[in-house]
Amino acid sequence: SQQGEEDPQALSIQEGENATMNCSYKTSINNLQWYRQNSGRGLVHLILIRSNEREKHSGRLRVTLDTSKKSSSLLITASRAADTASYFCATDGNTGKLIFGQGTTLQVKP
Amino acid sequence: DSGVTQTPKHLITATGQRVTLRCSPRSGDLSVYWYQQSLDQGLQFLIQYYNGEERAKGNILERFSAQQFPDLHSELNLSSLELGDSALYFCASSADSSNTGELFFGEGSRLTVL
Repeated sequence: SQQGEEDPQALSIQEGENATMNCSYKTSINNLQWYRQNSGRGLVHLILIRSNEREKHSGRLRVTLDTSKKSSSLLITASRAADTASYFCATDGNTGKLIFGQGTTLQVKP
Repeated sequence: DSGVTQTPKHLITATGQRVTLRCSPRSGDLSVYWYQQSLDQGLQFLIQYYNGEERAKGNILERFSAQQFPDLHSELNLSSLELGDSALYFCASSADSSNTGELFFGEGSRLTVL
């Protein structure tokens, strides 16, 4: 089974609104990463947060990590139509392999 | 542009056939990873090579094999193809062997098995 599970599976919002996606995982991790995938394209790395960090920012992205709850969230503020994509969390777990969740599909309506 | 090049972009073949997917990593990256993305299984890790050696193995079928050559490009060989092998196959690369850092993905090879 997947190490990371995103919630919700799909999200539809209006341009300008904030989008929040959550990721839960099962085992201890060294770090957690978020990637974006535009339809049918390759994944693009967004942000990496280490297990000893609680929050990280990159532009309009804010990632939080709660290792006690084994969960992370990705917040996209002031969303744009160009943010329409699938978002995946990825964790290394204790397998030494980077395992991806099933993803959240975000639609931002203009 | 991630710097990772995959060929071919699209491939249509028949059941029972064999195909080879090719990947050139980013300049300087020593690790190459292969992932399979399908609608029902999501993004599945197949295998990792580091500087020519197999480093980690995931859910790779015995009908599939991979290798990394001295010039660091990698090939994924898929044989005795089945309908269920239809998927997007991604190659990714990274500078180190840890398998926990940032990965740079190619645009994928879309395989359709008829």
